[in-house]
Amino acid sequence: DIVMTQSPDSLAVSLGERAAINCKSSQSVLYSSKNKNYLAWYQQKPGQPPKLLIYWASTRESGVPDRFSGSGSGTDFTLTISSLQAEDVAVYYCHQYYSTPPTFGQGTKVEVK
Amino acid sequence: QVQLVQSGAEVKKPGASVKVSCKASGYTFTNYALHWVRQAPGQRLEWMGWINAGDGNTKYSQKFQGRVTISRDTSASTAYMELSSLRSEDTAVYYCARGIGWPSQLDSWGQGTLVTVSS
Repeated sequence: DIVMTQSPDSLAVSLGERAAINCKSSQSVLYSSKNKNYLAWYQQKPGQPPKLLIYWASTRESGVPDRFSGSGSGTDFTLTISSLQAEDVAVYYCHQYYSTPPTFGQGTKVEVK
Repeated sequence: QVQLVQSGAEVKKPGASVKVSCKASGYTFTNYALHWVRQAPGQRLEWMGWINAGDGNTKYSQKFQGRVTISRDTSASTAYMELSSLRSEDTAVYYCARGIGWPSQLDSWGQGTLVTVSS
């Protein structure tokens, strides 16, 4: 199985400041012939299901604010929140769907400093 | 809008089985896949398997092979996940989530169903 490791486990950021979450996969999730990274990011608030933010590593899901962006390729990826808002307090997960079974990172908790 | 509505919380004894339903609306059921993902307390999300709602093909995680069965009823736009031989470690919130074929990101999720396994 591909192991997804996120860092940090938690971070506290001031409102309006930038937050960055890293995700590293134990093997590449880049499908070279399609030039696509099979990597998604989700946001989960307490008591709610995960919500898709980013797929193909950098494509924003419809309706997701443009302060959320994804980058990276191969084995190293980053989710960036350019200007943290109060409603962004949540746990964020990366997810590889390159191989079976699809696997998730352990989650990164984002709080307001 | 796309909605996935799951059945209610369950309490089961060790060794029993549980069947969770996921009713879809707001889209053509047979054009998508449904995945099942669980989240045990304090644990990361864990993929269990998926079903192609169009042709009924399934794929399961090796971890759950032999214990999990995913099915669907196209007339009711509903998918089901049955997990047998329950043990305490199966206590978790179980989610269904829509996928666009295989492989796929999961673009809509059910609200979750808490399954508690306790003697």
